[in-house]
Amino acid sequence: QSVLTQPPSVSGAPGQRVTISCTGSSSNIGAGYDVHWYQQLPGTAPKLLIYGSSNWPSGVPDRFSGSKSGTSASLAITGLQAEDEADYYCQSYDSSLSGWVFGGGTKLTVL
Amino acid sequence: QITLKESGPTLVKPTQTLTLTCTFSGFSLSTSGVGVGWIRQPPGQALEWLALIYWNDDKLYSPSLKSRLTITKDTSKNQVVLTMTNMDPVDTATYYCAHTDDSSGDRYFDYWGQGTLVTVSS
Repeated sequence: QSVLTQPPSVSGAPGQRVTISCTGSSSNIGAGYDVHWYQQLPGTAPKLLIYGSSNWPSGVPDRFSGSKSGTSASLAITGLQAEDEADYYCQSYDSSLSGWVFGGGTKLTVL
Repeated sequence: QITLKESGPTLVKPTQTLTLTCTFSGFSLSTSGVGVGWIRQPPGQALEWLALIYWNDDKLYSPSLKSRLTITKDTSKNQVVLTMTNMDPVDTATYYCAHTDDSSGDRYFDYWGQGTLVTVSS
């Protein structure tokens, strides 16, 4: 059981907007630690998508955006494209575990 | 350009010790704030953080695996080594190493290796 909770799957049609939630607790997201998001295309290593809850690394399109509130965070993808079909993971730091924690991952299907 | 690459055995027997090496380039593990972590992913399952070593030799371990893990660095060789004792079939996974720099206060992995699949079987 992952420390951060994500929905197992989400789906959307091309051009639509989807959101992926990431729920934590008072020892991680709720404690003020930032949330970071990774995209993992099939058969590849994870790639940093959003850092510091809402910042883009170089090269990541602004169709991807992140937000954080309380003990939760969200990743939004607008203008859905076929190449967005991947697994998405949230990650933060947990003070009670003194370590880094990942969500269980969400599989995005583009219909 | 930062790159990382994992190396080690592809097959280990139950109860054996796994030793994985992460060889990196494009950064120095003696630079303030820089760290290298290990993350694994069983087939079809989620990412799991294992361990992290910082430039100043500070080490963090996943509490659930702490007793089995050791992480070390060789700054001169640009390598980080992870050992995991008493391997079990449930430890079958792709093991990744990744770069972090928390000098800004954020803790995330911005560069990842390609991963290496380790199978535990007799």
